[in-house]
Amino acid sequence: GAGVSQTPSNKVTEKGKYVELRCDPISGHTALYWYRQSLGQGPEFLIYFQGTGAADDSGLPNDRFFAVRPEGSVSTLKIQRTERGDSAVYLCASSLRAGGINEQFFGPGTRLTVL
Amino acid sequence: QKEVEQDPGPLSVPEGAIVSLNCTYSNSAFQYFMWYRQYSRKGPELLMYTYSSGNKEDGRFTAQVDKSSKYISLFIRDSQPSDSATYLCAMSRTGTASKLTFGTGTRLQVTL
Repeated sequence: GAGVSQTPSNKVTEKGKYVELRCDPISGHTALYWYRQSLGQGPEFLIYFQGTGAADDSGLPNDRFFAVRPEGSVSTLKIQRTERGDSAVYLCASSLRAGGINEQFFGPGTRLTVL
Repeated sequence: QKEVEQDPGPLSVPEGAIVSLNCTYSNSAFQYFMWYRQYSRKGPELLMYTYSSGNKEDGRFTAQVDKSSKYISLFIRDSQPSDSATYLCAMSRTGTASKLTFGTGTRLQVTL
């Protein structure tokens, strides 16, 4: 079956612009996660959803970052007033349920470049 | 200091060698320990997981957790060129088990 998909695969934007990154989780997965991976680093947790609600948003770096999952499936990560430091690969993952050892399946990521 | 430390490598070994990859961590609350493999320009994929201390074997891969030393290892036997990738350790706490904390990843190159 289809895995986690993310669009766009690459996004180049200018400093100060607004961007939206989309994640389509595996069908039937109730939990969805966003991570950010900078060059040469491991993924860094941003936020996770159980259903439609954000269960833990402790990793969002500041109020320029916001994520939604209005129908409990597709999620959008929104970044306002982008800065050069936001350049990274944004990874989305989904799991059947949250917690325990529910395997998180990762998408290929969206590579964001802020000029 | 980061919660999870991992040598970034690169680590280069000949085909057939035994590979040892390691992570140390500082937070004693971590209970779930995972190893992910990430190929270039791909998302991480789960290789192994263990809960609390102990060993786990799956084919050519063995994961070990020593909670007393806050040290985890992944061993790859009979390494293959297709094992060339970045290996990431990850861990989480009971109660916040959905929030994974990753190491920086170790880049492995298996040469012919």
